[in-house]
Amino acid sequence: EIVLTQSPGTLSLSPGERATLSCRASQSVSADYLAWYHQKPGQAPRLLIYAASNRATGIPDRFSGSASGTDFTLTISRLEPEDFAVYYCQYYAISPFTFGPGTKVEIK
Amino acid sequence: EVQLVESGGGLVKPGGSLRLSCVTSGLTFSKAWMSWVRQAPGKGLEWVARIRDMTRGGTTDYAPPVKGRFTISRDDSKMTFYLQMNSLRIEDTGVYYCSTDVPVTDWGQGTLVTVSS
Repeated sequence: EIVLTQSPGTLSLSPGERATLSCRASQSVSADYLAWYHQKPGQAPRLLIYAASNRATGIPDRFSGSASGTDFTLTISRLEPEDFAVYYCQYYAISPFTFGPGTKVEIK
Repeated sequence: EVQLVESGGGLVKPGGSLRLSCVTSGLTFSKAWMSWVRQAPGKGLEWVARIRDMTRGGTTDYAPPVKGRFTISRDDSKMTFYLQMNSLRIEDTGVYYCSTDVPVTDWGQGTLVTVSS
């Protein structure tokens, strides 16, 4: 089973700043099967990125994803007020489709 | 527009059973692979189970913590899928979301399952 580790646990930033979130897999994985979601309080998650670097429908281009070996990165180029949320990565190549523990992006 | 509406959550004692339902619309259900994802209070997301379409035999996958206790199924005539949960444990408490297959593009609003004595 793949274990995903996310860092940092919490990221305190101001609107307009750049956010860089990390997701590391416990073993070699295919970048074709890594997704990012965010979740706001009281809401269902929303898919942001799939296959490591492809934006989902309707996701603004300030969100971007990249991969290098077992390390995956989600970058938000300029934080908007609606971007403050918890972010999860997920590996979905093979069951169980584990999620990382999440990174909370909070307003500084 | 895809809509997923869960029902069936509630309070149950440890060892008890519940069946969750998810009524769908706006998708070609017969071809859809569907999943359940849960979230314990104040915790992260946990994928629970998946069911493939009937051309693939409606085969299923489960997360290790629920395997042997939970059963995912589907009724294509009703565009509905289900999660039968038996031998419930306190740690099964949480919001259960029905969803389209991974990577998940569509989610229900969630239904709360509380396992407590």
